[in-house]
Amino acid sequence: DAKTTQPPSMDCAEGRAANLPCNHSTISGNEYVYWYRQIHSQGPQYIIHGLKNNETNEMASLIITEDRKSSTLILPHATLRDTAVYYCIVSATGANSKLTFGKGITLSVRP
Amino acid sequence: DGGITQSPKYLFRKEGQNVTLSCEQNLNHDAMYWYRQDPGQGLRLIYYSQIVNDFQKGDIAEGYSVSREKKESFPLTVTSAQKNPTAFYLCASSARQGTYEQYFGPGTRLTVT
Repeated sequence: DAKTTQPPSMDCAEGRAANLPCNHSTISGNEYVYWYRQIHSQGPQYIIHGLKNNETNEMASLIITEDRKSSTLILPHATLRDTAVYYCIVSATGANSKLTFGKGITLSVRP
Repeated sequence: DGGITQSPKYLFRKEGQNVTLSCEQNLNHDAMYWYRQDPGQGLRLIYYSQIVNDFQKGDIAEGYSVSREKKESFPLTVTSAQKNPTAFYLCASSARQGTYEQYFGPGTRLTVT
């Protein structure tokens, strides 16, 4: 599986958009970009995934560059409850594919 | 409510004892996973199972064992051979192996002294 690179931490003000970057320059054509988040001492929670098109759901938007070498997770109106570690993962689907969780990026939302 | 349960939330054991962590899901998912998380680190895959009576080693299987006798249950045994067993253990499931979304349980924090 391809590796991802995320900054260790970032913060944003409550109510503002949080833009979380991720680099995955060695991503293969059949690998998806996944985002999960983990609130302190809880199990991770799936947020969104995409292959090459931008995706949006009720939690967030995922913007993937045209060359697929990087992506941005956007939380449009961050709240204090969005404070968590966010993991960007690339993985193919199918039997024997696995998710590899790195250290992620710690997002702190300030009042 | 559908979901994954792990029990207990906190577990304390003496060194040299085997301990079994429970994981149950009522999501009718075929695939189940065990991860380990150390402080400040990401998750590392211990074992996974794509179907009943079948399981594969993950990246750090040494010192651990699993069974998958029922679709809804995937217990993990931390044996005395595991050199650093103190960690946060997370169980997850997905509809099938390699599908997009894994659902995680609340975790068990194991402390071995």
